[in-house]
Amino acid sequence: KAGVTQTPRYLIKTRGQQVTLSCSPISGHRSVSWYQQTPGQGLQFLFEYFSETQRNKGNFPGRFSGRQFSNSRSEMNVSTLELGDSALYLCASSLESGGPYEQYFGPGTRLTVT
Amino acid sequence: AQTVTQSQPEMSVQEAETVTLSCTYDTSENNYYLFWYKQPPSRQMILVIRQEAYKQQNATENRFSVNFQKAAKSFSLKISDSQLGDTAMYFCAFLFSSRTYKYIFGTGTRLKVLA
Repeated sequence: KAGVTQTPRYLIKTRGQQVTLSCSPISGHRSVSWYQQTPGQGLQFLFEYFSETQRNKGNFPGRFSGRQFSNSRSEMNVSTLELGDSALYLCASSLESGGPYEQYFGPGTRLTVT
Repeated sequence: AQTVTQSQPEMSVQEAETVTLSCTYDTSENNYYLFWYKQPPSRQMILVIRQEAYKQQNATENRFSVNFQKAAKSFSLKISDSQLGDTAMYFCAFLFSSRTYKYIFGTGTRLKVLA
């Protein structure tokens, strides 16, 4: 079974631009979560989508948004990029939501904002 | 608020020796789950081991075991017979079972296994 895939793997953007990241979960998984990983901060939870609905949200500004499609693929969008948004963005899928389901992580998208 | 603290940013261990990574957490919840995830250099994060708070017995997965002390809110990971492939970033994570489940991760411990 194919793992979680994320595209693109690397991205360089300029401050003020917007960016869209994509995540394809493991086949059959319906929950997709997004995390921001930075040195010293660890993983910060952004949001979780399940059945095309946002189930959970972390403490990030409204510039960070996401959506999920009927095939469970998810996209994350960051508008008006800031230098501090430079990070590794990880997506994780799990079978279901609302329980202690194991999360399977993708390789991440490394975003650099200049 | 729930917090997870990993107080050791970096550690190293000689191959074949044993190392313990520390993790403490703070919560008022009684029912929750704890995890250790491993992120090898340039590779995907994978689950190492999980522990249910209601279970008193410490979880074990081959060379990996935990020391779960619920009263002290401590959840350390012991790696026995360390191997070069254990070199990775290790994250402790907490999942509490309230109306919405959300993972909270620590800041990670970078472990290097030396030949």
